[in-house]
Parts: sequence; C-alpha cells; structure tokens
Amino acid sequence: NAGVTQTPKFQVLKTGQSMTLQCAQDMNHNSMYWYRQDPGMGLRLIYYSASEGTTDKGEVPNGYNVSRLNKREFSLRLESAAPSQTSVYFCASSGGTSPYIYNEQFFGPGTRLTVL
Amino acid sequence: DAKTTQPNSMESNEEEPVHLPCNHSTISGTDYIHWYRQLPSQGPEYVIHGLTSNVNNRMASLAIAEDRKSSTLILHRATLRDAAVYYCILRDPHYGQNFVFGPGTRLSVLP
Repeated sequence: NAGVTQTPKFQVLKTGQSMTLQCAQDMNHNSMYWYRQDPGMGLRLIYYSASEGTTDKGEVPNGYNVSRLNKREFSLRLESAAPSQTSVYFCASSGGTSPYIYNEQFFGPGTRLTVL
Repeated sequence: DAKTTQPNSMESNEEEPVHLPCNHSTISGTDYIHWYRQLPSQGPEYVIHGLTSNVNNRMASLAIAEDRKSSTLILHRATLRDAAVYYCILRDPHYGQNFVFGPGTRLSVLP
C-alpha cells in the first residue's frame, strides 16, 4: 500500500497562475482533507470531504477550490495563485463509515509550493 | 474548539523517558485528546488519543489528569528518530474530524 500520495512534490508558480494539487489514497477511506502549513506554524485545514460527493470549507478556504473526483482522489485547485499561498500543502485521509467516529488521519508527504 | 497550550521546545537525552505536557483548561466533557507528531520534512503521523483513561500503545503512553485539564505524552525511551514536533489537539467527534494544529512542541533528542 502506498498510503496517501501527493503530486507534485515541489512547484514554483508566478502570481496569477493556476494549478491543481493532486492527492490519492489507496486505503478505501471515506474522508479526505487538505491542510496548509506555513513556516514555523501548525497545520490549518483548507477543505475537507467527509465522503465521496461532499466537500466542506475548513479554516482557510479563500483562494482555493476542491474536487472529490471519486473515493480515492481529492484535488486542490488554486485559480489565481498569490504569494500568500506559498506554503507546504498536506493531504490526509481517514477511514470509517462515519466522520463523527474518530479514525486516525494518515498524511501524505506534502507539496512544497512557492508563488513568486 | 478548546485551546491547548504546549511548551515551544524540549530536549531529551537518547534512551531516557520524555514527558511532553499539554494544558487544556477549557476542555469540554466530549473532547478527545489527540497527539500527532511531525518528523522533519514529513507529514504528521498519529501517535495516540484518549478521552478519560490513560492509554498505552506501541509508540507512547498518554496520561490524562483526573480533571482532564491537562495531559502528558510519555515516550518511554527516546530515540533519535523521535525528534519531531509533537501536537496536542482536542476534538469533539460530534463536530467531525477537522483538527486544528497549533504550533506544537519541538522535541530535540541528544545522542
């Protein structure tokens, strides 16, 4: 099992460019999450998907869109990148049939994004 | 979400026990206490979680105060691989599994 995979590992964008960060999990998990981590800080939730076909905003959703393509894949899109979006982006997933029963979150290795 | 307070950094010697404290004086009766850690240049990984009773697993132990206003993550014998940022997080499962990660405690392990 690969667990949670993310592509790309690194990306440099110019202000105003768009891009999509990809995330996939092979653990048959229902819930998936996107976090960002700024230098020296903890992670902040951008969006999450409690199950296939549903998405909800987290703490810092502005400037981002997400798509839960199927049960395995959850993508994060920056429509018009800004320098404030320079960060490390982590995708995570957790299992179980209900998002309200605690299940451990498994994290991917992260995508390091720089916006010039 | 109830707030947690952790020391910014701690040091330990290799093969010695480490006690990482977390204060959560505003914890509600339904908040679970979760610990995750983040090794350098990696995503966070689950360590342990509990509600009221002390918990043990292969990685660590979680000691929860009787009034639940504080807890301690215990690494029984620190190794160099345990050097990481440790996050203490509270979450009521009725509000989903959306964690708020604070800055955590950076643990250094000295050989």
